[in-house]
Amino acid sequence: QVQLQESGPGLVKPSETLSLTCTVSGGSISGYYWSWIRQPPGKGLEWIGYIYYSGSTNYNPSLKSRVTISVDTSKNQFSLRLRSVTAADTALYYCARDFGYSSYFDYWGQGTLVTVSS
Amino acid sequence: EIVLTQSPGTLSLSPGERATLSCRASQSVSNNYLAWYQQKPGQAPRLLIYGASARATGIPDRFSGSGSGTDFTLTISRLEPEDFAVYYCQQYGSSPRTFGQGTKVEIK
Repeated sequence: QVQLQESGPGLVKPSETLSLTCTVSGGSISGYYWSWIRQPPGKGLEWIGYIYYSGSTNYNPSLKSRVTISVDTSKNQFSLRLRSVTAADTALYYCARDFGYSSYFDYWGQGTLVTVSS
Repeated sequence: EIVLTQSPGTLSLSPGERATLSCRASQSVSNNYLAWYQQKPGQAPRLLIYGASARATGIPDRFSGSGSGTDFTLTISRLEPEDFAVYYCQQYGSSPRTFGQGTKVEIK
């Protein structure tokens, strides 16, 4: 059974960079697409971007200028960096596995809350 | 980007009743690439339906999906106590992938 676990700071200051890592267990990161998705408190879901295990990426245009997703296959991990954060970036951040290219999400992490505040 | 509008925002029903949730797209969803998720408080979303009508592994057959083009429906034939949750639709026919704002199914 594939499991995903997000990790990273729960508090980030405005204008700084949010950094999260997703560790995949129970399966290989190779051969799949992996996404980050966020959910502001009390609101709906927003897809941030994906990375293929080979390193190719695709980002939501609404965040593209501030987002970088990277992968480390040796550690079975992929990571999110979101620059120049504001309070609007406060959210529950999920990592998830794409069933295929630009597909639905079949496995999700439990999510990690990131608050942007000074 | 495709905007998904879910209705109603909240559905108040009793266990044993039938739930009908709607998801309308601002433009046609390519290949009917529409998924439904269930989310309970404090939990990650769980995949229920993909391809508009195919049940994910382990999903009970009281959950069914239908629709095509711009109009999609999730039906729960007889609500069980564990079905009270928030439900989201998601389209993956075009990029960026987008979600609806959710429908909460609450106990009446």
